[in-house]
Amino acid sequence: SQELEQSPQSLIVQEGKNLTINCTSSKTLYGLYWYKQKYGEGLIFLMMLQKGGEEKSHEKITAKLDEKKQQSSLHITASQPSHAGIYLCGAETGANNLFFGTGTRLTVIP
Amino acid sequence: NAGVTQTPKFQVLKTGQSMTLQCAQDMNHEYMSWYRQDPGMGLRLIHYSVGAGITDQGEVPNGYNVSRSTTEDFPLRLLSAAPSQTSVYFCATVHSFGYTFGSGTRLTVV
Repeated sequence: SQELEQSPQSLIVQEGKNLTINCTSSKTLYGLYWYKQKYGEGLIFLMMLQKGGEEKSHEKITAKLDEKKQQSSLHITASQPSHAGIYLCGAETGANNLFFGTGTRLTVIP
Repeated sequence: NAGVTQTPKFQVLKTGQSMTLQCAQDMNHEYMSWYRQDPGMGLRLIHYSVGAGITDQGEVPNGYNVSRSTTEDFPLRLLSAAPSQTSVYFCATVHSFGYTFGSGTRLTVV
């Protein structure tokens, strides 16, 4: 069965600092999704990556899928308190369903 | 507003009680699914549907029933609630641009 490991599990950074969250799969990734979740709320779609070497950016968030398609990273530049939340990576299982990592809890200290 | 609507947002049940978590979408998406989110476990797939009249089991289906009589609705039924079913439940639809999640139902079974 597929496993998705996210690291770190939690992260505390000072506002303005850069940070990276990693998502490593035990199998080749055919579709990798990044979501953000605030406590008590639903999942907010951030980015979807499908091709090896693909990189996408939105505002201050950049996500990459490595060439071998087994690892993805999410990088936040100049973090802000609004970036705080739980970041989840999800991999497509081939049946239009997602298998999720356990999440990374990000705290940004003003 | 287009999207996935889940009701109720919060629910407390006694062990052995039954209830139905509602999920409705107005985007005419064929694929719908239910996930549960537990601390440190990420989201896990309970049941999913590829269209009206068709449902299938996910990773953790025990204790839950689903049906899909219309494209719009995909209710999740707990026939006899157990404390192990205390969780946050998310409904999602799948489309060409990815997955859209509802805002969740926080269920506590005492």
